[in-house]
Amino acid sequence: SQQGEEDPQALSIQEGENATMNCSYKTSINNLQWYRQNSGRGLVHLILIRSNEREKHSGRLRVTLDTSKKSSSLLITASRAADTASYFCALRGRGSTLGRLYFGRGTQLTVWP
Amino acid sequence: EAGVAQSPRYKIIEKRQSVAFWCNPISGHATLYWYQQILGQGPKLLIQFQNNGVVDDSQLPKDRFSAERLKGVDSTLKIQPAKLEDSAVYLCASSLGAGGGPYNEQFFGPGTRLTVL
Repeated sequence: SQQGEEDPQALSIQEGENATMNCSYKTSINNLQWYRQNSGRGLVHLILIRSNEREKHSGRLRVTLDTSKKSSSLLITASRAADTASYFCALRGRGSTLGRLYFGRGTQLTVWP
Repeated sequence: EAGVAQSPRYKIIEKRQSVAFWCNPISGHATLYWYQQILGQGPKLLIQFQNNGVVDDSQLPKDRFSAERLKGVDSTLKIQPAKLEDSAVYLCASSLGAGGGPYNEQFFGPGTRLTVL
């Protein structure tokens, strides 16, 4: 399978806490992307990390990538109720010229006020 | 900048009926994607267009699904006849190109939620 697997499937935290989601995969990748999907809305691109990168930051988001373990993590710091959403990792295979992304099943994050 | 537009937002039909979805990508985006997202799962690519040509339709159930992108801009996805298992959200996305660079980020529309009874 070329898709990633997110862990945990569901995560429930209080506002202000940090949320960590993980993505494991089995194939070689060109890059790995994280997306957020709010209820009733489409997918929103959060961050992309290339296979030769180990860590990237964007605002309250921090993504790490360990290609030797074929895993990535998304950390959301100081979470807010508005962060409640499903988070997906999407893989782009190495050598892919078509742009195809393989999405996992996602982690449902609930942030309580 | 306007985002990816889709219509309708919701559609309810009975099995064996036909249905069509419409997508207008971001202006200037050459690549257009249709995804199917079944409840509780991640999106799965159905078909990818580069301008008005199909570059990947390996996951499209061609006996009942069809798609076209006339003039390399708008696109329609059709299901005929629909089955119960087609109930899902159909997402359209677009990107500048399809290469491996990070600048070919995919932008998604709000989706069409299809319920087949």
